[in-house]
Amino acid sequence: KAGVTQTPRYLIKTRGQQVTLSCSPISGHRSVSWYQQTPGQGLQFLFEYFSETQRNKGNFPGRFSGRQFSNSRSEMNVSTLELGDSALYLCASSLRAHLTETQYFGPGTRLLVL
Amino acid sequence: DQQVKQNSPSLSVQEGRISILNCDYTNSMFDYFLWYKKYPAEGPTFLISISSIKDKNEDGRFTVFLNKSAKHLSLHIVPSQPGDSAVYFCAVRGGGGSNYKLTFGKGTLLTVNP
Repeated sequence: KAGVTQTPRYLIKTRGQQVTLSCSPISGHRSVSWYQQTPGQGLQFLFEYFSETQRNKGNFPGRFSGRQFSNSRSEMNVSTLELGDSALYLCASSLRAHLTETQYFGPGTRLLVL
Repeated sequence: DQQVKQNSPSLSVQEGRISILNCDYTNSMFDYFLWYKKYPAEGPTFLISISSIKDKNEDGRFTVFLNKSAKHLSLHIVPSQPGDSAVYFCAVRGGGGSNYKLTFGKGTLLTVNP
């Protein structure tokens, strides 16, 4: 069974731009969660999508948004990029929602904002 | 204000001995507790979890202990193997209804020496 895939793997943007990251979950998984990892803050939960609906949300500003498609693929969008948005963005998939199921992480997208 | 603390940034043990990784949390309303490990350049991997209604959960060489009165979580690895060398994150689930979120500790780097 193929694992979680994320595209692109690396991205360089400038302040003020927007970016869209993509995540394809493991086949059959309906939950996709997004996380931001930085050296200073560690791993932080952004949000979770299940059956095309946002189910749970962390403490990030509205510039961070996401969506999920009917095939469970998910995208995360960050608008008006700031230097502090430079991070590794991870997505994880699981069978069910609410974050207690085993989550399988992708390799991440490394975003650099200049 | 860190709700989840892993006070030891690193831990070094000999192969075959026990590794004990610790995690403290502040909110008694957290209801689910998880451990992940992460190798460099890879996404985290789920290890083991425990709900707040239990105080111990075992899976092979890995055992998680939950002490709710002390708000303390620990992961025991017995026997430790060199392949266990990685960063270990504890995570807790809080919230409820449709607003759960995971909060992670900053991680502990475990090195198992042959």
